Amino acid sequence: KAGVTQTPRYLIKTRGQQVTLSCSPISGHRSVSWYQQTPGQGLQFLFEYFSETQRNKGNFPGRFSGRQFSNSRSEMNVSTLELGDSALYLCASSLERGKGNYEQYFGPGTRLTVT
Amino acid sequence: AQKITQTQPGMFVQEKEAVTLDCTYDTSDPSYGLFWYKQPSSGEMIFLIYQGSYDQQNATEGRYSLNFQKARKSANLVISASQLGDSAMYFCAMREGGYSGAGSYQLTFGKGTKLSVIP
Repeated sequence: KAGVTQTPRYLIKTRGQQVTLSCSPISGHRSVSWYQQTPGQGLQFLFEYFSETQRNKGNFPGRFSGRQFSNSRSEMNVSTLELGDSALYLCASSLERGKGNYEQYFGPGTRLTVT
Repeated sequence: AQKITQTQPGMFVQEKEAVTLDCTYDTSDPSYGLFWYKQPSSGEMIFLIYQGSYDQQNATEGRYSLNFQKARKSANLVISASQLGDSAMYFCAMREGGYSGAGSYQLTFGKGTKLSVIP
């Protein structure tokens, strides 16, 4: 079974530009979450989508947005990039079920550098 | 207050020895889950082990076991027989609420512990 895939793996952008990152969850998984990882702030939750609906959002400015498609693939967009947006962006997928484990499986991440 | 605290920024362990990575958590929700992830230098987060707040027994997965002490709000990861490939960052994380499956899958992570295995 294929794991979570993220594209692109590396990205260099200039301040003020916008960027779109893509995440394909494990087949059958309907929940997709996004996290930002930086040396200073660590891992921070961005948002979570389930069945095309945003279920939860972290404390990030409106420049960060996302969406989920009917096939569970998800994209996140960052507009008007700032230097501080340089980070590793991780996507995780989960299989919603009843009582039991709630493992979230992460993709390899997209490393974004803003210059 | 931090929800997840990992007090060991870095640790060293001799190959084939056991090591314990500490994690304490803070929540008022009776329903929660605790996770440990491994992050090698490549960046990918690898799921290791999960413990639910209502689980009666400590979780185990191969060489990984979770020492869950609910009253102390601690969820330490024990790695037995360390291998060179275990050198990585280790993160403790918590999901609050919705044991039945409802609710968000938001994880709150600790700052991590960098484990170095010495040959």
